Amino acid sequence: LAKTTQPISMDSYEGQEVNITCSHNNIATNDYITWYQQFPSQGPRFIIQGYKTKVTNEVASLFIPADRKSSTLSLPRVSLSDTAVYYCLFNNAGNMLTFGGGTRLMVKP
Amino acid sequence: NAGVTQTPKFQVLKTGQSMTLQCAQDMNHEYMSWYRQDPGMGLRLIHYSVGAGITDQGEVPNGYNVSRSTTEDFPLRLLSAAPSQTSVYFCASSRPQGGELFFGEGSRLTVL
Repeated sequence: LAKTTQPISMDSYEGQEVNITCSHNNIATNDYITWYQQFPSQGPRFIIQGYKTKVTNEVASLFIPADRKSSTLSLPRVSLSDTAVYYCLFNNAGNMLTFGGGTRLMVKP
Repeated sequence: NAGVTQTPKFQVLKTGQSMTLQCAQDMNHEYMSWYRQDPGMGLRLIHYSVGAGITDQGEVPNGYNVSRSTTEDFPLRLLSAAPSQTSVYFCASSRPQGGELFFGEGSRLTVL
């Protein structure tokens, strides 16, 4: 199965910009890349989705280079409430949506 | 709008018992899936369905069965519970497969 690779954990401080990169070397031509956020004892929540170049919404930006073998989630000016686990996700073998291990972000005051 | 509803939220089983985790969505989503999440770990795909009458195996299907007789419901059956199946189970759905996944609140299962 194709896999994603993300840093296990990251630390940041309030007000900083945080960039989390995900590697997905085996992504298929028609796959979108999606990022989710998960708080303890809750199901993951959709953050952003993109195919290539840059996508921005009210909470994050997603940068995808031309070769699409990686993607970077950018969280501007993080706050304590952004402390969570962040997952990148894409279709696997056509229909399987599999999560990697995720990146545990800790935002400190 | 209820979204994705899972029942029960908590369950304790003895080894060898069977049970069904229920999942229902009211968004007319075609794609539904079950994940398990062990403490401190990521989510692993158990089974998924791309529409009524169609199911397929995910990464960790052994010990679990699913069926999809309607668009709304996607129950997960544990055939003979084992302590290794102690986990939090999440059901999710999306309209197009690959679109935004909507998750339920999770079902916490303990097998003694």
